Amino acid sequence: DAGVIQSPRHEVTEMGQEVTLRCKPISGHNSLFWYRQTMMRGLELLIYFNNNVPIDDSGMPEDRFSAKMPNASFSTLKIQPSEPRDSAVYFCASSLGRGQPQHFGDGTRLSIL
Amino acid sequence: RKEVEQDPGPFNVPEGATVAFNCTYSNSASQSFFWYRQDCRKEPKLLMSVYSSGNEDGRFTAQLNRASQYISLLIRDSKLSDSATYLCVANQAGTALIFGKGTTLSVSS
Repeated sequence: DAGVIQSPRHEVTEMGQEVTLRCKPISGHNSLFWYRQTMMRGLELLIYFNNNVPIDDSGMPEDRFSAKMPNASFSTLKIQPSEPRDSAVYFCASSLGRGQPQHFGDGTRLSIL
Repeated sequence: RKEVEQDPGPFNVPEGATVAFNCTYSNSASQSFFWYRQDCRKEPKLLMSVYSSGNEDGRFTAQLNRASQYISLLIRDSKLSDSATYLCVANQAGTALIFGKGTTLSVSS
């Protein structure tokens, strides 16, 4: 069975550019999570969706970040405009429910120059 | 106070050693607990769930102490391949999982 699929695996871009990260959750999972991981702050929850509806976006750092889940099999995390401090690994995860074990994608390694 | 706290380590142990990690959680309403493992430059992967009565999976034993609000992970007969970062996770009903920052284990020959 396919796991959580994220794209791209790596992204290097200049500050000010728009960045779009993509995620396909495991089929049948109804909860989807976006995380950011850095050495300093560890794994931070940015936003999560339940049945395609955003439930908690309190972790989204600022208005430059936005996330959508137009259907059960696709979600995007967008940063516009990007800044060097946004450089991190961004993970998408999905689960059968909010309190259930989460399955993570391979992550997107984002570098903003 | 952080919701899930772990000693970052690193824990450096020889092969064959027994090593234990503890983790504390601040929300007494937390109901689900897990240990995840993360290898360098990889995604976190579920290692095991933690049940109230304690549970074992091969060389790994997880314990939950609700009164003191801590979770432990015991690894017996450590292998080189156990070297990784171990993330403690807790949640309360209706919320997403809260991850600790992880404890780094290095097993050497």
